[in-house]
Amino acid sequence: EPEVTQTPSHQVTQMGQEVILRCVPISNHLYFYWYRQILGQKVEFLVSFYNNEISEKSEIFDDQFSVERPDGSNFTLKIRSTKLEDSAMYFCATAGEDAWVTGELFFGEGSRLTVL
Amino acid sequence: AQKITQTQPGMFVQEKEAVTLDCTYDTSDPSYGLFWYKQPSSGEMIFLIYQGSYDQQNATEGRYSLNFQKARKSANLVISASQLGDSAMYFCAMREAQFYFGTGTSLTVIP
Repeated sequence: EPEVTQTPSHQVTQMGQEVILRCVPISNHLYFYWYRQILGQKVEFLVSFYNNEISEKSEIFDDQFSVERPDGSNFTLKIRSTKLEDSAMYFCATAGEDAWVTGELFFGEGSRLTVL
Repeated sequence: AQKITQTQPGMFVQEKEAVTLDCTYDTSDPSYGLFWYKQPSSGEMIFLIYQGSYDQQNATEGRYSLNFQKARKSANLVISASQLGDSAMYFCAMREAQFYFGTGTSLTVIP
């Protein structure tokens, strides 16, 4: 079964460092999302990406965050200067055109970011 | 206003019994989708069930069913014949232009 893969599974970084989280979406998917989940809390929307541009972003997604799809396959989330409060599990999710019928959003297994 | 509201932070159920996890939503869009995801302690998000706003019948997937009451804007998840492996966090979500998640309900199945 096709799956969304994320790397790294866990990253520990010092405050102020840049972090890049990578996601390989399912090959024919067109809609890409990043969510984050602070330990024990709800899943929060960060950004959605379609047709090589951001389609929507939340207030969490400030200037420290950026997304891109540099090579047409990987979908990356960059945090320029990490803060302690960025410590969370970051989920990549993707959907195909039929998501509006089937409803399924495919999640990766998450990348746990720990900022020290 | 919250798009998705899950009022039960934690629920307990006896093994083999049925349990209902509550979810209400808020939207003015006539076209939307409602979902439930399971998140076990390992952390991954597992898709369980989907209900489209125009679907006339309640969605069912094995032991999962979605009790869709459109007028009340509720989309409760019913798990029948609970199993120990059902212990997890359960998130209700809604799709408009993007996906919104509730705060989750922690379900514990007691042997």
